[in-house]
Amino acid sequence: KQEVTQIPAALSVPEGENLVLNCSFTDSAIYNLQWFRQDPGKGLTSLLLIQSSQREQTSGRLNASLDKSSGRSTLYIAASQPGDSATYLCAVVANDYKLSFGAGTTVTVRA
Amino acid sequence: ETGVTQSPTHLIKTRGQQVTLRCSSQSGHNTVSWYQQALGQGPQFIFQYYREEENGRGNFPPRFSGLQFPNYSSELNVNALELDDSALYLCASTPGQDPSYEQYFGPGTRLTVT
Repeated sequence: KQEVTQIPAALSVPEGENLVLNCSFTDSAIYNLQWFRQDPGKGLTSLLLIQSSQREQTSGRLNASLDKSSGRSTLYIAASQPGDSATYLCAVVANDYKLSFGAGTTVTVRA
Repeated sequence: ETGVTQSPTHLIKTRGQQVTLRCSSQSGHNTVSWYQQALGQGPQFIFQYYREEENGRGNFPPRFSGLQFPNYSSELNVNALELDDSALYLCASTPGQDPSYEQYFGPGTRLTVT
C-alpha cells in the first residue's frame, strides 16, 4: 500500500523567504506525482505535474523535483508572498490509477 | 473549455439519511474519480468511473455507490449517513485511462451530517 508523507505539517515564514516543502512515498513504482494547492474549505488546484521519467518541473516561482528511486519530491517556492498562504498537498499515481495523497503542509507567509 | 463542476456546494443531512452528490467532468474527459477529504487530512480515494463502469474502488463500504452517465457526468450516493461521513467530497476528471494523465479537480461539496 502506498504511503505518502509530508514534512513539516505546518510552517510559517516571513514574506520574501524561499519555501521548501517535502514529500516522500513508499512505493517508487509511480506514473507521476502532482503538487496541489488548497485554500481553506476549497477544492484542489493543480500546481505541477511531474511524470515518472522527469526529474523536475518549473512554473513561475515554483519548482518541483522528483527522485523516484529514493521516493522523494520537493516543492520550492521562491520569494514567498502572503498570497502563497495555503495547504500544499502532494499525490502520486501508481498503476491502480488512483491518487494517493499526503496530509499536506500548511504554509503561512507573514507580511 | 469548462472545468470540473460539482453540486451542491454545501449541504447538511441528518444521520441515517441518504445523499446524492453530482459532478460534471471537464470537456472531453471520460474518467471521473471521487475522493473524500476529512478535516485536516489528505483526500482518500472512493472509486473511479470510466465509460460508465466502476473501475477501481478504495476502502469504503458498499453504502457508498456511484454512477456515470453517457455524457460522463457522475453521481456519488451515500446511504445511511453516519457522523463520520462529514467531509469535503471532491471529484476529479481525466481524458482517459492512462495513469500518467493529470487529474483536474472540482471545487468540492461540503457535507455535514448531524
